[in-house]
Amino acid sequence: GAVVSQHPSWVICKSGTSVKIECRSLDFQATTMFWYRQFPKQSLMLMATSNEGSKATYEQGVEKDKFLINHASLTLSTLTVTSAHPEDSSFYICSARDQVTLGYTFGSGTRLTVV
Amino acid sequence: ILNVEQSPQSLHVQEGDSTNFTCSFPSSNFYALHWYRWETAKSPEALFVMTLNGDEKKKGRISATLNTKEGYSYLYIKGSQPEDSATYLCAFRANTGNQFYFGTGTSLTVIP
Repeated sequence: GAVVSQHPSWVICKSGTSVKIECRSLDFQATTMFWYRQFPKQSLMLMATSNEGSKATYEQGVEKDKFLINHASLTLSTLTVTSAHPEDSSFYICSARDQVTLGYTFGSGTRLTVV
Repeated sequence: ILNVEQSPQSLHVQEGDSTNFTCSFPSSNFYALHWYRWETAKSPEALFVMTLNGDEKKKGRISATLNTKEGYSYLYIKGSQPEDSATYLCAFRANTGNQFYFGTGTSLTVIP
């Protein structure tokens, strides 16, 4: 079945540094990828939608200059948390939409802790 | 932001018991309702995609029903097994875009 590989699965970084999270579709091509985050005891919330070769669309309240999304190929999207702060500590997960089947497949998520 | 609610938040059952949980979602602009099974450190696994009012889907011991007019879906697990322990997520999709609106999940623990 469709698989999305997400790395790293967890990361601890110092405040002020940047962290890159990568999502790769292994056996299908994804024109669209979605980035979600989940704070404790809350639901997954969509941060942004990225389309291959174009700028990402950010949800209201999500700073596009802080959360840089790159979707340079049909199989890879990256989320970079720039100048991370403790309040950015969260669980981040991607979802990729298969351009053929139109099905959605999730990555396994990244637990980010900023100290 | 659309409101999707799941209940209960967590559930402990004995092996062999049957159980069910609820997902409530807006009854307007309905496109689809997704159920996922999510184990810790793994990707959410798609269980069902439900699109028609009155739909009932089954996968082994797990089944789901859908009522779009009143805005709810039930997930049933018959004869729970320890391997069923996971968080069960529902996600609502409106007919106005591709966005998924997730509930907070129901955490199921099946005690051997």
